[in-house]
Amino acid sequence: EADIYQTPRYLVIGTGKKITLECSQTMGHDKMYWYQQDPGMELHLIHYSYGVNSTEKGDLSSESTVSRIRTEHFPLTLESARPSHTSQYLCASSDGDRAPLHFGNGTRLTVT
Amino acid sequence: GQQVMQIPQYQHVQEGEDFTTYCNSSTTLSNIQWYKQRPGGHPVFLIQLVKSGEVKKQKRLTFQFGEAKKNSSLHITATQTTDVGTYFCAGGPLNNDMRFGAGTRLTVKP
Repeated sequence: EADIYQTPRYLVIGTGKKITLECSQTMGHDKMYWYQQDPGMELHLIHYSYGVNSTEKGDLSSESTVSRIRTEHFPLTLESARPSHTSQYLCASSDGDRAPLHFGNGTRLTVT
Repeated sequence: GQQVMQIPQYQHVQEGEDFTTYCNSSTTLSNIQWYKQRPGGHPVFLIQLVKSGEVKKQKRLTFQFGEAKKNSSLHITATQTTDVGTYFCAGGPLNNDMRFGAGTRLTVKP
């Protein structure tokens, strides 16, 4: 089983709040990703990173930011949460450009 | 941007029937990956295909990569209730990031 962890597992928060979703992996993978997914629906790439100090925007503009100061850590921050941000957020890592992705269990976010 | 199209979006079968999902791209893919996501879970890697015309099998699952490396399929023989979930393909051209298809949600009636 892959060693990639996401916290919190569930989060309910009010509109306008700043939140950070945590993602850590212990596999030493260089590539890390954040996806947004409504239950059972399409995966939308939000951000990804090739390694330390590397961050790129994905296809979905979600008013979020990421940082990659350490290989194992790739947090996602929403500066001002909105109800449209209600969704599941999945973090993943891989050991190279064409390597399989290992997903965390996800954070289910509800913005009221 | 580059897209990977997947059909059908939904498939409902009777237990014991076969199931197939298709993945298509307008550009040549360097590889294709398949994932399964159980309801309430996260995507789990199933297999990767790299070679033109490649066929791989995992028990009742058969994966194919087209000769032109622009399409792929996943076929399940004699579905079981444990096959329920959403199946995703993911692929991309060389030197570009992979993208996921929209997924095919499979439900199986006992």
